[in-house]
Amino acid sequence: KQEVTQIPAALSVPEGENLVLNCSFTDSAIYNLQWFRQDPGKGLTSLLLIQSSQREQTSGRLNASLDKSSGRSTLYIAASQPGDSATYLCAVSAIQGAQKLVFGQGTRLTINP
Amino acid sequence: ETGVTQTPRHLVMGMTNKKSLKCEQHLGHNAMYWYKQSAKKPLELMFVYNFKEQTENNSVPSRFSPECPNSSHLFLHLHTLQPEDSALYLCASSRAIREPRSQETQYFGPGTRLLVL
Repeated sequence: KQEVTQIPAALSVPEGENLVLNCSFTDSAIYNLQWFRQDPGKGLTSLLLIQSSQREQTSGRLNASLDKSSGRSTLYIAASQPGDSATYLCAVSAIQGAQKLVFGQGTRLTINP
Repeated sequence: ETGVTQTPRHLVMGMTNKKSLKCEQHLGHNAMYWYKQSAKKPLELMFVYNFKEQTENNSVPSRFSPECPNSSHLFLHLHTLQPEDSALYLCASSRAIREPRSQETQYFGPGTRLLVL
């Protein structure tokens, strides 16, 4: 059974810092990996999707990497801003069921002005 | 706005009540999903519908009954729930598995916060 772990559970950093969020998964037979952000009282917003054949994806100040063989992904946020404060969720889908996302518990990120 | 709306946003019900959650998507998708997000637990997939047909039931108790009358609407009928069913229920939509580029991401609604007393 696939399990997804995110470390740390919570992170607080000053504005302007670069930071890394970590995600690990137990079964390397994945179809893709996605990073989402969740704001209080709102649903999830997709940030980046990495196919199993890819090693990284970039969107603005965000960069996500994937090392499928070691079961790890990182989300790098450059020059953090208070608006980046949210919970960040990592999710993987299996080859056999691309629609079945398995989520980690998330990292609650706070950027202090 | 993601194009996926959910009503009501908040719901309080007793264990003997019957209520329904509604989800509507305006993205032209043909796949819809129900997820449960409990405190201190990861987001869990409950049901998947493709082209109005249920294709996934993740061992969900029968007190949760989904309905998908068309590709734009998804309901979750609730009856005789337990306090441990209190959670945030999220709906999502995406392209269906038989469509090209079906690996595209899922778009989520804001959720319904459910409290069972």
